[in-house]
Amino acid sequence: KAGVTQTPRYLIKTRGQQVTLSCSPISGHRSVSWYQQTPGQGLQFLFEYFSETQRNKGNFPGRFSGRQFSNSRSEMNVSTLELGDSALYLCASSPGAPYNEQFFGPGTRLTVL
Amino acid sequence: AQKVTQAQTEISVVEKEDVTLDCVYETRDTTYYLFWYKQPPSGELVFLIRRNSFDEQNEISGRYSWNFQKSTSSFNFTITASQVVDSAVYFCALSSGTGNQFYFGTGTSLTVIP
Repeated sequence: KAGVTQTPRYLIKTRGQQVTLSCSPISGHRSVSWYQQTPGQGLQFLFEYFSETQRNKGNFPGRFSGRQFSNSRSEMNVSTLELGDSALYLCASSPGAPYNEQFFGPGTRLTVL
Repeated sequence: AQKVTQAQTEISVVEKEDVTLDCVYETRDTTYYLFWYKQPPSGELVFLIRRNSFDEQNEISGRYSWNFQKSTSSFNFTITASQVVDSAVYFCALSSGTGNQFYFGTGTSLTVIP
């Protein structure tokens, strides 16, 4: 099976812009979760989508949003970028039941200038 | 509240030494799962193990072993006869409640010196 893919792998944006990141989960997986990884805060949960519905949400401002399509692919959007949004954004997929192990993609490295 | 603590920020060992990575967790849920992931320099997190709260049996997989103790809320990870390829950041994570939200520790950076 193909693994989790994320596009783009690298992105450079300026403050105030918006950005959309994409994630394709493992075939058959219906849950997609997004995490932000920074040196200072570590790995922080953004949100999880399951069957096109947001099932869980972390403690991030409304500038961070996401969606999931019928084929389970997911997108994450960040509006009005701030310098502090520079991070590695990781997508993880799992079959969907609680407590399943999650399989992570290679991440998208976002740099905000 | 859910919390995972990995007190060891960085560890260096010489190749072939054994090393234990500590993980302490907090949760009020009776049903929960614990995980270990490895993040090599390439950046992709690699799943290592999953353990549920009702199974305190230790597990061994090759050079890797895990010790789960509910009495001390710990889920420690030991690498026996470490190798250079083991150099990575290791994360412990907790999953409890509904959905698939993972609570990660801050990670332990392991360097194995040849």
